[in-house]
Amino acid sequence: GENVEQHPSTLSVQEGDSAVIKCTYSDSASNYFPWYKQELGKGPQLIIDIRSNVGEKKDQRIAVTLNKTAKHFSLHITETQPEDSAVYFCAASPYNAGNMLTFGGGTRLMVKP
Amino acid sequence: SAVISQKPSRDICQRGTSLTIQCQVDSQVTMMFWYRQQPGQSLTLIATANQGSEATYESGFVIDKFPISRPNLTFSTLTVSNMSPEDSSIYLCSVDKGRETQYFGPGTRLLVL
Repeated sequence: GENVEQHPSTLSVQEGDSAVIKCTYSDSASNYFPWYKQELGKGPQLIIDIRSNVGEKKDQRIAVTLNKTAKHFSLHITETQPEDSAVYFCAASPYNAGNMLTFGGGTRLMVKP
Repeated sequence: SAVISQKPSRDICQRGTSLTIQCQVDSQVTMMFWYRQQPGQSLTLIATANQGSEATYESGFVIDKFPISRPNLTFSTLTVSNMSPEDSSIYLCSVDKGRETQYFGPGTRLLVL
């Protein structure tokens, strides 16, 4: 089955700096890669996703890049703000896997004001 | 997106007892899922709740321990049976609104003493 590795496990940045979280996956059949943000005491919130037919997607301060050859994808947050502090999860879903998501281990992002 | 509610939001239970968690969605969805998130950990899929048929369980999870109901396209329940302290976790339901995109409920925080 699919295996998703996520790095780093914790990340501390100064407000205004950029943050990058990286994930690798094992199943070359995976074609859908969402990112979730989980704040304390809440459920995961979908913030951006990318499919294998594109290499990059942006939404304001958030961007995701995908390298299918290397089987890795990354989340980029620019101009970080204290409210970006949360745990971020990447996930991968193989084609025709019945919508199953395999999650990475999570990254705790701390943005210092 | 989807508006998903879960009841209860949290509970403290005695070992050996059972707890039923409810998940309600604001619109009809084909796929509903149940996840477990152990303290400080990532999300692990327990099962897919199928409307009108038995749930599909992932490796390591069995129906006797985690019975699931899905009476219609907007509602599902997960029961955690014969609980032990190892069952202390956050239990999350999610729904697929199409094209593999999953949205999560707020979670049920369970502590077993």
